[in-house]
Amino acid sequence: DGGITQSPKYLFRKEGQNVTLSCEQNLNHDAMYWYRQDPGQGLRLIYYSQIVNDFQKGDIAEGYSVSREKKESFPLTVTSAQKNPTAFYLCASSLAGGLGELFFGEGSRLTVL
Amino acid sequence: GENVEQHPSTLSVQEGDSAVIKCTYSDSASNYFPWYKQELGKRPQLIIDIRSNVGEKKDQRIAVTLNKTAKHFSLHITETQPEDSAVYFCAASDGGSQGNLIFGKGTKLSVKP
Repeated sequence: DGGITQSPKYLFRKEGQNVTLSCEQNLNHDAMYWYRQDPGQGLRLIYYSQIVNDFQKGDIAEGYSVSREKKESFPLTVTSAQKNPTAFYLCASSLAGGLGELFFGEGSRLTVL
Repeated sequence: GENVEQHPSTLSVQEGDSAVIKCTYSDSASNYFPWYKQELGKRPQLIIDIRSNVGEKKDQRIAVTLNKTAKHFSLHITETQPEDSAVYFCAASDGGSQGNLIFGKGTKLSVKP
């Protein structure tokens, strides 16, 4: 069953801790994305990757880091440098980059205590 | 860079009425305009999209129109049903070679039975 899987669904973190969100896809898509969703703010692009071993910053990359060592995986690390990390994080993949349908995961809700 | 404005932020209609959501964009090089629907607690899903070489596209009760001169595009839902209740996001490609999507802030549509 093809799709995109995010884990964990809920995550709690203490201030000053780094946390890594997992994103895996078996759709054979080259492009993968991380978005942040806040109430009333839409979806804002954090990082994206068009190909393995390459990624670029999006509009709100500060305090985040990513890696793309495998085509199927695009983990996002929320570092202690991110000033307001509590949010809903969505991973997506696409066959045609930004000019085609984005397939989203179910999201990960991060709460900083 | 690209900026996408979406209105209204909330919309309430009676079942059977039509609903219209409007978006404007700033980058004249944008050429791809998708609409995503996000039901409560679920992932966003593509419902319809339009490219800049087309003025209108329909899919059953849903239609999208694009006015490139005015840089605005709209989603039209006819004969609304309770299951149309959701948050709708418009997006526009950023005009660059990557074609990353810039999302509007969303419209919460409520269809009252």
